[in-house]
Formats: sequence, structure tokens, C-alpha cells
Amino acid sequence: AQSVTQLGSHVSVSEGALVLLRCNYSSSVPPYLFWYVQYPNQGLQLLLKYTSAATLVKGINGFEAEFKKSETSFHLTKPSAHMSDAAEYFCAVTQGSGTYKYIFGTGTRLKVLA
Amino acid sequence: EAQVTQNPRYLITVTGKKLTVTCSQNMNHEYMSWYRQDPGLGLRQIYYSMNVEVTDKGDVPEGYKVSRKEKRNFPLILESPSPNQTSLYFCASRLTSGVWETQYFGPGTRLLVL
Repeated sequence: AQSVTQLGSHVSVSEGALVLLRCNYSSSVPPYLFWYVQYPNQGLQLLLKYTSAATLVKGINGFEAEFKKSETSFHLTKPSAHMSDAAEYFCAVTQGSGTYKYIFGTGTRLKVLA
Repeated sequence: EAQVTQNPRYLITVTGKKLTVTCSQNMNHEYMSWYRQDPGLGLRQIYYSMNVEVTDKGDVPEGYKVSRKEKRNFPLILESPSPNQTSLYFCASRLTSGVWETQYFGPGTRLLVL
């Protein structure tokens, strides 16, 4: 069975500091991994996705994530936090062909301090 | 504009009174899905549909029904709502061609069952 674990339900960083949001997955087959962002009172928006083409994935708004199979991780990073990055972030996993289910993590709320 | 719409956006109802939350997409997507979001639990998939007249259960289908009679619409039906179905609901759609395809989310429906 697949699962996703997001360490830290709340993360605070200073404006301009590194953002690191952690995601570990469990999957018996090669996974497809996603990071979504949810701004207050809005739906989810895709930040980036790993589809096995490259282990380092670049997304929108300066975010990137690296797929590390040995660590079963897909952590999200951004070199310099901006106030507008304050939101909730979700990691999600799905398998390859033959399934249409998605498993989401419990989310990490990012607070950016001035 | 490509979008997923949900109605109503907010709903207060009483236990046992049947309700339907509508979802519509204008992107000609085959795949549609319903999620519920609860604090500390992230998003959990309720039902999904790979195409017209093809639906399947997600991880938390109990108490919900769906139907897919048209490609663009995927209503969520609560035949006898209970307080534990108080939640924030999201509809999403994507192309079916690959699980790596981006899911597009609606704005959400906030449901309170008294």
C-alpha cells in the first residue's frame, strides 16, 4: 500500500531564508510524486511533479524538489522564502499505470516571518 | 477560461437531509475525482471516475454516492448526511492519458452538517 508522510504540520521561516518541507513516501512500485500548494480559501494548485524523467524537479514560484529513491523522499525546497509563500503544502503519491488513486499527506502549513 | 466549478460553495444542512454537490469542468477531461479535506488528515479521496459511466471508490467512500452521466459533470451525493461528513470538499479533474497528468482542483465546498 502507498503512503505519504509529511514531517512537521507547521513550519516557520524568516523572509529570505531557505524553505525545506519534508515528504517521505512508501510505495511498492515506482511512484509518481506531486507537491501542491493551497492558499487560504482556495483549491489546490500544482507546484511540481516527479514522473521519473529527472530526479531534480523544478516547479513554479522558484520551488524545486529532489526525488531520492534510497531515502524514499521528495522534499520541497526554495532558496529564499517570500511572504507570498505562506500557504499549506501537500505532498501526494500515485502509482503508475493501472491505478487512479491518489494518496495525500496531511499537509504542512508554512509561515513566513518578516 | 479552463476551470473546475463547484456548487454550492458553502452549505449548512441537517442530519439526514439528502444533498448534492455539483462539479463541472470545461477542459474535456476524462478523469474526475472527489476529495474531502479535514484538519490534520490532509485530503482523502472519496470517489473517482475514469470516464462516463465508470466510477470507483477511493479511500473514504462510505456515506457518499457519485454518478457520471456526462463527461463534464461529476456530482457528489450525500443520501443521509451525518455530522461526521462536515468537511471541506474538493472536486478535481485531469486527462486520463497518464497518471502524471496534472489534476485541476475546484475552489471547494464547505459543508456543515448539524
